[in-house]
Amino acid sequence: DSGVTQTPKHLITATGQRVTLRCSPRSGDLSVYWYQQSLDQGLQFLIQYYNGEERAKGNILERFSAQQFPDLHSELNLSSLELGDSALYFCASSPRLGQEQYFGPGTRLTVT
Amino acid sequence: AQSVTQLDSQVPVFEEAPVELRCNYSSSVSVYLFWYVQYPNQGLQLLLKYLSGSTLVESINGFEAEFNKSQTSFHLRKPSVHISDTAEYFCAVYNTDKLIFGTGTRLQVFP
Repeated sequence: DSGVTQTPKHLITATGQRVTLRCSPRSGDLSVYWYQQSLDQGLQFLIQYYNGEERAKGNILERFSAQQFPDLHSELNLSSLELGDSALYFCASSPRLGQEQYFGPGTRLTVT
Repeated sequence: AQSVTQLDSQVPVFEEAPVELRCNYSSSVSVYLFWYVQYPNQGLQLLLKYLSGSTLVESINGFEAEFNKSQTSFHLRKPSVHISDTAEYFCAVYNTDKLIFGTGTRLQVFP
């Protein structure tokens, strides 16, 4: 158990819908990262927050957005969902920038 | 831009045999390297890391990796594998606030 929690574990929804994925980092970790894992793209970095502020952006679509709240939990919002958005979404947290990241169990999103 | 190459998509091996999973990264001034393992239907677990210091790093379950700057490699090795080591292994490099992952190597251990 990494100490990073993610909810829900599974999510099935229809095209065009909007979902919210939630992540709670390890106690004391200020950095939260979001990654997408799919068969064709592999593991791709989406976005990073540090102590409530957006710090880095990767291959994140404009339909996707995220935020980190004062209690340091983070949410990833995915809207206007398409079939190709079906993937595993991981959250990770880190005690310091440039150090190891600890991953949550992931949310498996299926868009039908 | 930084990149990570894992040349072997699959590595089949018999139990108790040695194994090496290869990882090469694109050169950079400073580099932090990691190996993660993903068991079926689970998240990624940190296996070991190289941040600085000794170029040989070890995990608690018998894996080791050696940072080789001249060959820009960070290969993962285990002298004797177990059935329970069957999993997907990802090499990653830290670059500008994110991890860049290789495409993964599926280690399949047969009895």
